[in-house]
Amino acid sequence: GAVVSQHPSWVICKSGTSVKIECRSLDFQATTMFWYRQFPKQSLMLMATSNEGSKATYEQGVEKDKFLINHASLTLSTLTVTSAHPEDSSFYICSARKARQGTNIQYFGAGTRLSVL
Amino acid sequence: SQQGEEDPQALSIQEGENATMNCSYKTSINNLQWYRQNSGRGLVHLILIRSNEREKHSGRLRVTLDTSKKSSSLLITASRAADTASYFCATGYNTNAGKSTFGDGTTLTVKP
Repeated sequence: GAVVSQHPSWVICKSGTSVKIECRSLDFQATTMFWYRQFPKQSLMLMATSNEGSKATYEQGVEKDKFLINHASLTLSTLTVTSAHPEDSSFYICSARKARQGTNIQYFGAGTRLSVL
Repeated sequence: SQQGEEDPQALSIQEGENATMNCSYKTSINNLQWYRQNSGRGLVHLILIRSNEREKHSGRLRVTLDTSKKSSSLLITASRAADTASYFCATGYNTNAGKSTFGDGTTLTVKP
C-alpha cells in the first residue's frame, strides 16, 4: 500500500490565528512531499515541494513566511498557515513520493478544508 | 505554461456507457498520469503511461498517449455510478524535481 494521512480534515479558525496541517506517510518513507491548494471546481495549484532534512522549495507567488513548511522526518511534513485571513480559506492537499521511486507517482492525503472567519 | 488542458470540462453519461476524457499538454514529457478525485477528497492515482508507450490498460480503464500530438485520452468502459468523480491528468518531466503538473480536470457524472 501507500497510505498518506492528512490531519485535520477540516478546521475553522479566527482571522489572525495560525493553523498547522500534518501530512504523514503511514507505510512508506517519503523523501519528497508536495503541498497543494485547490479552489472549488479548479485544479490543484502546487504551493511548495517539501524535502526531508532541507528547506522547502516554494512556487512563484507563494509567500514563504505565510505558509511555513517543515519536513523533519521521512514520514512527516507539516504546513503552517500563519496569521490566517479569510482569503486563505481553501482546500489544502498534501502528497508524497516514495523514496527511491523511479516515477513521479504521488500518493495523496484526503485534504484539509480550512475556513477562516 | 506546462499545464495540461482537459476536455470536456464536464461529462454526463448513463450507467453502462463509455466515458472518454482527453488531455493535451505543451512540452515534451517523461510520463503522463491520470488521477481521480471524489468530491472533497484527495486524489487517487489510476494509471501511468510512459512517453515510449502508446496504450495501457487497467481493468475498465484504457489510456492512450500520442506524443506527436501531445495528447492523451482516458477511456472508462461500462461506466458505473461509482465512477462519478473528477479526473485529472498530470504530466511528469525529466528535470522537474519529481513534480507533476495537473490539468484542469474533467468532472464525470454517471447517472444510474
